[in-house]
Amino acid sequence: DGGITQSPKYLFRKEGQNVTLSCEQNLNHDAMYWYRQDPGQGLRLIYYSQIVNDFQKGDIAEGYSVSREKKESFPLTVTSAQKNPTAFYLCASSLLLNTEAFFGQGTRLTVV
Amino acid sequence: GDSVTQMEGPVTLSEEAFLTINCTYTATGYPSLFWYVQYPGEGLQLLLKATKADDKGSNKGFEATYRKETTSFHLEKGSVQVSDSAVYFCALSDRGKAAGNKLTFGGGTRVLVKP
Repeated sequence: DGGITQSPKYLFRKEGQNVTLSCEQNLNHDAMYWYRQDPGQGLRLIYYSQIVNDFQKGDIAEGYSVSREKKESFPLTVTSAQKNPTAFYLCASSLLLNTEAFFGQGTRLTVV
Repeated sequence: GDSVTQMEGPVTLSEEAFLTINCTYTATGYPSLFWYVQYPGEGLQLLLKATKADDKGSNKGFEATYRKETTSFHLEKGSVQVSDSAVYFCALSDRGKAAGNKLTFGGGTRVLVKP
């Protein structure tokens, strides 16, 4: 089945550590996105990529980094510079400009 | 910049009641409009969409009409079920933007349907 896979579903991190969240899609979509969701809040865009080897900052990119070495993969690294990393992270992809985005099941990151 | 405003929840209803969730938007280009639904602990699923003025999106008994004159995209369902309990997000994607298909989301509206 085609779709977006995020892993792991739950992730715990100690303060001061970097952690990488995985996002893989087999939909052959060009564009991929990372969003952050805090409890009771909407989604905020962290980074997005329209093509391999290219990506742009979203609204809250500070403390995060991404790479897009392959079309199907868009991993997100939460660095120790991110002051408040505990959140639900959602990856999405879309085929073309202005078509709907498809979302993964999310990764819940908790800093302990 | 682009923005989406939704009514705050939670919205609590009895089964078979009528549901309306208001959504208004601000965009500089020619947006497409979406409603997404999020069940507890899961990602977002597209519920319906509309790509131009006066389009009506519909799915699973939900409907929303793209009203350019009032910049609105209100979600409605005539008879809700307990299984409709979820968080609903209104979103837009602005075709006028050169910066890709990134969605702008409203804050979400939690709906709770009681038996």
